[in-house]
Amino acid sequence: AQSVTQLGSHVSVSEGALVLLRCNYSSSVPPYLFWYVQYPNQGLQLLLKYTSAATLVKGINGFEAEFKKSETSFHLTKPSAHMSDAAEYFCAVTKMGFQKLVFGTGTRLLVSP
Amino acid sequence: DVKVTQSSRYLVKRTGEKVFLECVQDMDHENMFWYRQDPGLGLRLIYFSYDVKMKEKGDIPEGYSVSREKKERFSLILESASTNQTSMYLCASSLISPGHLTNTGELFFGEGSRLTVL
Repeated sequence: AQSVTQLGSHVSVSEGALVLLRCNYSSSVPPYLFWYVQYPNQGLQLLLKYTSAATLVKGINGFEAEFKKSETSFHLTKPSAHMSDAAEYFCAVTKMGFQKLVFGTGTRLLVSP
Repeated sequence: DVKVTQSSRYLVKRTGEKVFLECVQDMDHENMFWYRQDPGLGLRLIYFSYDVKMKEKGDIPEGYSVSREKKERFSLILESASTNQTSMYLCASSLISPGHLTNTGELFFGEGSRLTVL
């Protein structure tokens, strides 16, 4: 069975600091990996996705993630945090031909001035 | 833009009541999903549907049923609501399954329905 583990339910950074949100996956076959963001009182929206092409994936709002097979990781980064980045972030995994997307437990990003 | 609309943002129901949560998408998507979101547990899949009148159980289907009579509409039904079903319910749709080789499999989410069962 596929799964993802997000380390840290809360991450706090200062505005302008590096954002690093961790995601490790478990999959017996090559995975497809996603990051979604949920702003307060809203549904989730896609930030970026990895589907076995380039290992460094760029998404919206300056976020990017790197697929590292040797570490089974897909960490999300942003060089400089903005106040508007405060939200909950979810990592998710599926596999080719599969209909279900399995989500992690989420990481809430707090950005202080 | 794809729009997924959930009929109620907030509901308060009593134990034992029958509850209907409605979801409508306007982009002719094949796949529709119902997730439940709880703090510390993330999103858990309740049911999904890949075609009209087709449904498959997700990871936590107990206590729920679904209906998809039309392509654009996917309903979640709680036959007899219980307090442990107090939660945020999220509906989503996708053009093709998330694992499709040539498609992002992006899920488009509604804003959620927060259900409180007293």
